[in-house]
Amino acid sequence: DTGVSQNPRHKITKRGQNVTFRCDPISEHNRLYWYRQTLGQGPEFLTYFQNEAQLEKSRLLSDRFSAERPKGSFSTLEIQRTEQGDSAMYLCASGVGPGATEAFFGQGTRLTVV
Amino acid sequence: AQKITQTQPGMFVQEKEAVTLDCTYDTSDPSYGLFWYKQPSSGEMIFLIYQGSYDQQNATEGRYSLNFQKARKSANLVISASQLGDSAMYFCAMREGQGATNKLIFGTGTLLAVQP
Repeated sequence: DTGVSQNPRHKITKRGQNVTFRCDPISEHNRLYWYRQTLGQGPEFLTYFQNEAQLEKSRLLSDRFSAERPKGSFSTLEIQRTEQGDSAMYLCASGVGPGATEAFFGQGTRLTVV
Repeated sequence: AQKITQTQPGMFVQEKEAVTLDCTYDTSDPSYGLFWYKQPSSGEMIFLIYQGSYDQQNATEGRYSLNFQKARKSANLVISASQLGDSAMYFCAMREGQGATNKLIFGTGTLLAVQP
């Protein structure tokens, strides 16, 4: 399968715990994005990487959130000291662009904080 | 500030009929891209179609076409010959500029239900 892969698909965690999500983009895609989607809403941008460089961060990405793409391939998104408000679908996208190929999404990681 | 508006929270359509999902956008940048995605209940966002602001013709991809009316700032998605598998959430999104800002701004989506 050559699509964007995200792991895990589901994560349930207790409030205050740290969680880490992984995204494997489509091979050779230099652009990688993280988005967050809450119930009934469209996805909201969190951060953008071009190769290994994190070029843009949303103000939604509080100090508890950190994202890396160490070798310009896979990326991780870590949330420290999770809160119930962090419960959401976390979507990763990769692409080359701009244009029709600039953002292909993975299946997402659904986080539930209890 | 850029904004995407989808005014139809939900739509019904009969199988084999065509349906139009509305999307209006707001931007002051002359260069932008418009996207439509389908999100089934499984959660994955599936890319459907793209329209660049300088594209002269409306984009088409199989049963999907984008009715791009630049002066009205609308980018409606037309699905022809609806199928039961088309039942899903549909999101319109926009990216401003040609690379300085790479984020997509999404609308709130339209839930499409295809009836047999």
